[in-house]
Amino acid sequence: DAEITQSPRHKITETGRQVTLACHQTWNHNNMFWYRQDLGHGLRLIHYSYGVQDTNKGEVSDGYSVSRSNTEDLPLTLESAASSQTSVYFCASSRTSGSDEQFFGPGTRLTVL
Amino acid sequence: GEDVEQSLFLSVREGDSSVINCTYTDSSSTYLYWYKQEPGAGLQLLTYIFSNMDMKQDQRLTVLLNKKDKHLSLRIADTQTGDSAIYFCAEGTDSSYKLIFGSGTRLLVRP
Repeated sequence: DAEITQSPRHKITETGRQVTLACHQTWNHNNMFWYRQDLGHGLRLIHYSYGVQDTNKGEVSDGYSVSRSNTEDLPLTLESAASSQTSVYFCASSRTSGSDEQFFGPGTRLTVL
Repeated sequence: GEDVEQSLFLSVREGDSSVINCTYTDSSSTYLYWYKQEPGAGLQLLTYIFSNMDMKQDQRLTVLLNKKDKHLSLRIADTQTGDSAIYFCAEGTDSSYKLIFGSGTRLLVRP
């Protein structure tokens, strides 16, 4: 069955370190998204991609970067982790026809100490 | 700008109906969605409604859309303890594949 996975599921890191969160989907979807979820803010879009070599900034992109070298993967990198980036991160994907339904991964809980 | 608003919390007794409300601002929204998030999990799509519809029913779920007031609601009939979760509404458009999510409504079902 097609799916979307994230790794690691939990990560503790220190301020200033570079961290990369992986997202892999087997739906063959062109669109992929990264969100962060914080209490009181719901889901906020960090970065998104509409296809290979395409990346776009979302509403809270500062301090984050993504790259899209193939259809299946959209890794999210925190260049220099900050305590304000402690959050739960969700990856999602969607197709380019019909409704915009997004399929979500299980999430990565990141703690920056 | 685009904004989606929901009340933060709803508590109901098991067997009662639950109604979760949402308002949105983007009149060009083509689809409106309801997602469910259980503890420690990602979001799962419950249902969606196309913007030219007023109502959609799917088993215990009824979605009502008032496009004039930009108001969306989700009614869960015969609410069960397994329905306890956070419910997110979201709007999407044909011109962009992005979704704008509300902050989520936490539904607590009391036995």
